[in-house]
Amino acid sequence: DIQMTQSPSSLSASVGDRVTITCRASQTIVSNLNWYKQKPGKAPDLLIYAASILQSGVPSRFSGSGSGTDFTLTISSLQPEDFATYYCHQSYNTPYSFGQGTNLEIK
Amino acid sequence: QVQLQQSGPGLVKPSQTLSLICAISGDSVSSNIAAWNWIRQSPSRGLEWLGRTYYRSKWYSDYAVSVKSRITINSDTSKNQFSLQLNSVTPEDTAVYYCAREGGRGRLDPWVQGTLVTVSS
Repeated sequence: DIQMTQSPSSLSASVGDRVTITCRASQTIVSNLNWYKQKPGKAPDLLIYAASILQSGVPSRFSGSGSGTDFTLTISSLQPEDFATYYCHQSYNTPYSFGQGTNLEIK
Repeated sequence: QVQLQQSGPGLVKPSQTLSLICAISGDSVSSNIAAWNWIRQSPSRGLEWLGRTYYRSKWYSDYAVSVKSRITINSDTSKNQFSLQLNSVTPEDTAVYYCAREGGRGRLDPWVQGTLVTVSS
């Protein structure tokens, strides 16, 4: 099974900051990597799929990059609504797996 | 626009069967380009993929190894829905359960709001 490791597990930042979250797979997943944002009490929402494709309706301040085993999610200028938990998810093969999450908090 | 609506009990007794249904609107459970997934989330296990079903000229199902001996995911084309059955539950199965549509490149979207299922006597 493919293990997904996210870092950091938590992050404090201010509105306007640029932040980067990383996700590493235990083996190559090519570009089959998706990112989700989750607010407390809500289901995860898709942000980026196939490593770098922005889901329709997602603000352009979000971007994704990477291939193989190493991936990043970048938020170019944090907005108040971006404070949430972010998860990566590999869809290269089943069983699918998720990272443990990155809790992005207001500094 | 695809919408999912989940139903099922929020409390299940240990050793019994957890059963949830996910009703689909705006798409077909028999779609040749989608798959229908179950995921759960708990503080101890995080987001855990449980399995999926999909139709590609015939029906297929994939399951997580951790629950493979206890899980069944079925589809009901007459009601355009899919279901999760998890047998012999223990308190470790207490979690928020989600159904989600899988589209191209394996992306999961949308997700249903989720149902907290508590396993307790």
